[in-house]
Amino acid sequence: KAGVTQTPRYLIKTRGQQVTLSCSPISGHRSVSWYQQTPGQGLQFLFEYFSETQRNKGNFPGRFSGRQFSNSRSEMNVSTLELGDSALYLCASSLTPTKHYGYTFGSGTRLTVV
Amino acid sequence: QQQVKQSPQSLIVQKGGISIINCAYENTAFDYFPWYQQFPGKGPALLIAIRPDVSEKKEGRFTISFNKSAKQFSLHIMDSQPGDSATYFCAASPNQAGTALIFGKGTTLSVSS
Repeated sequence: KAGVTQTPRYLIKTRGQQVTLSCSPISGHRSVSWYQQTPGQGLQFLFEYFSETQRNKGNFPGRFSGRQFSNSRSEMNVSTLELGDSALYLCASSLTPTKHYGYTFGSGTRLTVV
Repeated sequence: QQQVKQSPQSLIVQKGGISIINCAYENTAFDYFPWYQQFPGKGPALLIAIRPDVSEKKEGRFTISFNKSAKQFSLHIMDSQPGDSATYFCAASPNQAGTALIFGKGTTLSVSS
């Protein structure tokens, strides 16, 4: 059974550019959440999607956006990149948007902004 | 602001010893408390979780102890092994916040052989 697949694994972008990260959840999982992981702030919740609808959003600026497709695959986009956006972006999938089921995380996309 | 405070930041334990990681929260509106384990280059993996109506949960060598009145919970790793060397995160899920988690800052555990 394939796990959560995130592409690309590594990415280097220049300040001011935009970036799109992709996440394919475990087959059958319909809920996808995104987290940002940095050494200073740790793991921070970005947003959660279920059935192509954003159910919850963390405290991030509007430059961070996401979407979910009908096959449950999800993308997140960061526009006008800043140096502080350098981080590991983690996608997590869950069978349903029920917290007690727990997440399965992917290995993440390492974004470096220069 | 809702927070989860985790300690210690790092921990060194002898093989066969007990590893103890503590977390405290400041908001009573949490209803789910999971622990995640993360190895370098990998995403976090769910280890064990507890609900606030339970004071203790054990799965193999891993035990969560939960003290609702003190707003504290802890992870105990019995018979610690070198393979347990990883970063551990506690987390809490706010009520009415879907699956969103607020994570502690993590504890890096090293088990020496």
